[in-house]
Amino acid sequence: NAGVTQTPKFRVLKTGQSMTLLCAQDMNHEYMYWYRQDPGMGLRLIHYSVGEGTTAKGEVPDGYNVSRLKKQNFLLGLESAAPSQTSVYFCASSFLAGGRTDTQYFGPGTRLTVL
Amino acid sequence: EDQVTQSPEALRLQEGESSSLNCSYTVSGLRGLFWYRQDPGKGPEFLFTLYSAGEEKEKERLKATLTKKESFLHITAPKPEDSATYLCAVQAPAGGTSYGKLTFGQGTILTVHP
Repeated sequence: NAGVTQTPKFRVLKTGQSMTLLCAQDMNHEYMYWYRQDPGMGLRLIHYSVGEGTTAKGEVPDGYNVSRLKKQNFLLGLESAAPSQTSVYFCASSFLAGGRTDTQYFGPGTRLTVL
Repeated sequence: EDQVTQSPEALRLQEGESSSLNCSYTVSGLRGLFWYRQDPGKGPEFLFTLYSAGEEKEKERLKATLTKKESFLHITAPKPEDSATYLCAVQAPAGGTSYGKLTFGQGTILTVHP
């Protein structure tokens, strides 16, 4: 199993450009998440999905859109990139096992720089 | 609002020098407390989940404990390969079909010198 994979690993954008980050998981997890990690801010949730075809806003959703057309994929889109979106983006997935707390498993991250 | 505070921000140890990392939290009904390890340039790697006060879990040189207000990650006789950032997160109860939100601390950067 590859676990959670993210594409691309690195990207540099100019202000106003758009891009899509792809997350894929092969663990048959229902839940998927997008976080951003910034120095001194910790991990902050952007959007999440509790199943195929459903998405919801997290803590910092402005400037981002997401889609979950297939259970194994979760896409994060930036329609018009801004320098404030320079960050490291992590995707995670989890399942709810018998009512116990769902452990989130993270991908390797995408380092995005917006000039 | 759920809050997680980790201390110290950075910890430097000599190889073999045992110590503890602290995670203090406030949450409206703890569903679980998680510890992750993060190496530079990589994603967080799951270590432990603790569900209730008094619970302990161990993995190699690491031992996590939980009280009603805080969790400790004890590192016994650390090695240089234990150097990493250690993240703590708490999960609130899920409501209906929504998931239980994870709130992360800012992490403790551990450096173990040979």
